[in-house]
Amino acid sequence: GAGVSQSPRYKVTKRGQDVALRCDPISGHVSLYWYRQALGQGPEFLTYFNYEAQQDKSGLPNDRFSAERPEGSISTLTIQRTEQRDSAMYRCASSPRQGPSMEPQHFGDGTRLSIL
Amino acid sequence: KQEVTQIPAALSVPEGENLVLNCSFTDSAIYNLQWFRQDPGKGLTSLLLIQSSQREQTSGRLNASLDKSSGRSTLYIAASQPGDSATYLCAVSSSGSARQLTFGSGTQLTVLP
Repeated sequence: GAGVSQSPRYKVTKRGQDVALRCDPISGHVSLYWYRQALGQGPEFLTYFNYEAQQDKSGLPNDRFSAERPEGSISTLTIQRTEQRDSAMYRCASSPRQGPSMEPQHFGDGTRLSIL
Repeated sequence: KQEVTQIPAALSVPEGENLVLNCSFTDSAIYNLQWFRQDPGKGLTSLLLIQSSQREQTSGRLNASLDKSSGRSTLYIAASQPGDSATYLCAVSSSGSARQLTFGSGTQLTVLP
C-alpha cells in the first residue's frame, strides 16, 4: 500500500484489558511516530523511532504505555490495564529519513480506542 | 514548552470567499511549521510545510506564511469551495525536539454552497 496503515480501525474493550495497536509505515520510511488525539484537540506526541531504536518516549503518559518496532518497520503501541481516560484516537505517522524535520510526516487513518 | 494556538476554533463562510486561518506559537525556535487538513474518520493530510528560513509557501489556492520572530503563521485559502470543508491543523517542529510535532487544536471550516 502507498500510505501508513493502522489496525484495527476501531477497538472497544473493557477497562482493565490490555490492547495492542499496530502501525505499518510507508515502505522504506525510517522514522515512525505515535500520537494520541482527543476529540476536538490536535494530536499529542507519544513516542518515535528511527529504524528499530526508540529515540524519544517522553510523551508516553505513564508506564502502562509502551511501544516497539523490533525490525524497524511495523510498530506496536501497547496499553496495559486500560482505563477509561485512555479512550482516544491513536495516530501513527512516518517520514522517510531521520534528522531535523525537513519533510512532512505522513499520517495513517488512526485507531479509535474506546474503553468501557 | 511549546504551545500552539489556532484562532478561530470554527469558521463558516459562503462559497467563493477568501479566508485566513491563524496560528500562533510561543517558542520561536522552530525547524518548520506545517499545515494539515483533517477530514472526519480520516488521517491528516499535509498541505504545506514551511522551513524556518522561509517566509511563505504556496500550493494551488493555498498560501501559508510564517513570521517566526513574532510566532505567527497564517493559512490563506482563495476562492473557497464546499470541498474545502474540514478541520485545519497547524503544527510546529521545535528545535529542542526536532522530530515531534506540537499541534494546535485546529480550526473547523465549513464552506457553504
